[in-house]
Amino acid sequence: QQQVKQSPQSLIVQKGGISIINCAYENTAFDYFPWYQQFPGKGPALLIAIRPDVSEKKEGRFTISFNKSAKQFSLHIMDSQPGDSATYFCAASSHETSGSRLTFGEGTQLTVNP
Amino acid sequence: GAGVSQSPSNKVTEKGKDVELRCDPISGHTALYWYRQRLGQGLEFLIYFQGNSAPDKSGLPSDRFSAERTGESVSTLTIQRTQQEDSAVYLCASSLSGGSYEQYFGPGTRLTVT
Repeated sequence: QQQVKQSPQSLIVQKGGISIINCAYENTAFDYFPWYQQFPGKGPALLIAIRPDVSEKKEGRFTISFNKSAKQFSLHIMDSQPGDSATYFCAASSHETSGSRLTFGEGTQLTVNP
Repeated sequence: GAGVSQSPSNKVTEKGKDVELRCDPISGHTALYWYRQRLGQGLEFLIYFQGNSAPDKSGLPSDRFSAERTGESVSTLTIQRTQQEDSAVYLCASSLSGGSYEQYFGPGTRLTVT
């Protein structure tokens, strides 16, 4: 059972554009929603995270929008740069689950063209 | 400070051989996780350790997989009688505690079974 669905699988944007990646979840017990950025040959790095008591969180050029009723959340990258080219994973976890382990989406490969 | 480290970074083994992968978590982090990342896919949870408590092994795909952790330090993931479908990147993550949500990942071990 895939509990976190991520789209699109790949995304190409021009430098300066907005990149938008979407995720949907099924488990209403999830209460923490991070986004990870992964460069080739590296482990995922925590980018930004949100809890369901807020609808939006912004850190620099990165914004998470959260819609609890729709069970959806998205990552917006403003003013996208070639250095943002990487694979992005959404994830979710619940304090009710052993160790609050993460359930990941399948990833979005972002390419930002110069 | 030092992040999560893993060794080896790459491992090529023949089908049927046993392999051992190592993870050194961030100092002071009591929680440690192993995940598997198949090519082009998201991360799958394998096992979770919290201090001296019994590990949560619910994500291990078969009895060929096992893991140990010495106290709150090094962990080893062992795969016996490797199969080609075991080829993947094995990632280790640590967090301050099982309920602290934020997980920090190592660079992974790329396992190739020939």
